[in-house]
Amino acid sequence: QVQLVQSGADVKKPGASVKVSCKASGYTFTSYYIHWVRQAPGQGLEWMGLINPTGGRATYSQKLQGRVTMTSDTSASTVYMELSSLTSEDTAVYHCAREITVASFSSGYDAFDIWGQGTMVTVSS
Amino acid sequence: EIVLTQSPGTLSLSPGEGATLSCRASQSVSTSYLAWYQQKPGQAPRLLIHGASSRATGIPDRFSGSGSGTDFTLTISRLEPEDSAVYYCQQYGSSPRTFGQGTKVDIK
Repeated sequence: QVQLVQSGADVKKPGASVKVSCKASGYTFTSYYIHWVRQAPGQGLEWMGLINPTGGRATYSQKLQGRVTMTSDTSASTVYMELSSLTSEDTAVYHCAREITVASFSSGYDAFDIWGQGTMVTVSS
Repeated sequence: EIVLTQSPGTLSLSPGEGATLSCRASQSVSTSYLAWYQQKPGQAPRLLIHGASSRATGIPDRFSGSGSGTDFTLTISRLEPEDSAVYYCQQYGSSPRTFGQGTKVDIK
């Protein structure tokens, strides 16, 4: 079945970087944009950016620009999200999510129908 | 950036009743690119509605969406205990994509 499986929970010290993976299966990996969304404990959802797995072009939220990098490995059907210069405010569950429609139709503007299970990242000294 | 404001913050209802959730945008949402998600504790969000009124695959017809421009509504009819969750609206027509702060629905 179509699914996104993320890497496991991680604990980092302030100032460090974290890299979360999101492995796709059950569909043609290069056909759909992948977005990243995070959720701090007890808080709402925050969009971080998106990546086109074909070619790896990414667009980031202005808030995180300069600290976030999204990459794609087509041979492994996996996208990665790396966040640097971590602070306690980056403590959150990080989700990858796939758009409903193929990239050639959506152009990156679509709702998200398939979500990864989430990866808890804790930033603590 | 389009700010989405959801109301009410919390709804406490009984099984069988109906619920009306509101999502108001600070500016017009392009081409009704508005979605609704349901999130239960410890789970990823689940897509309910996209394009303001199209139900996602497998979503029962008790869930319906309406609206355009800056005012959108999610209606849940004949509430069931498993509908207890937080519901988020999201606009995906412009960058950054943004979410509302959520409406918590308690079914007692």
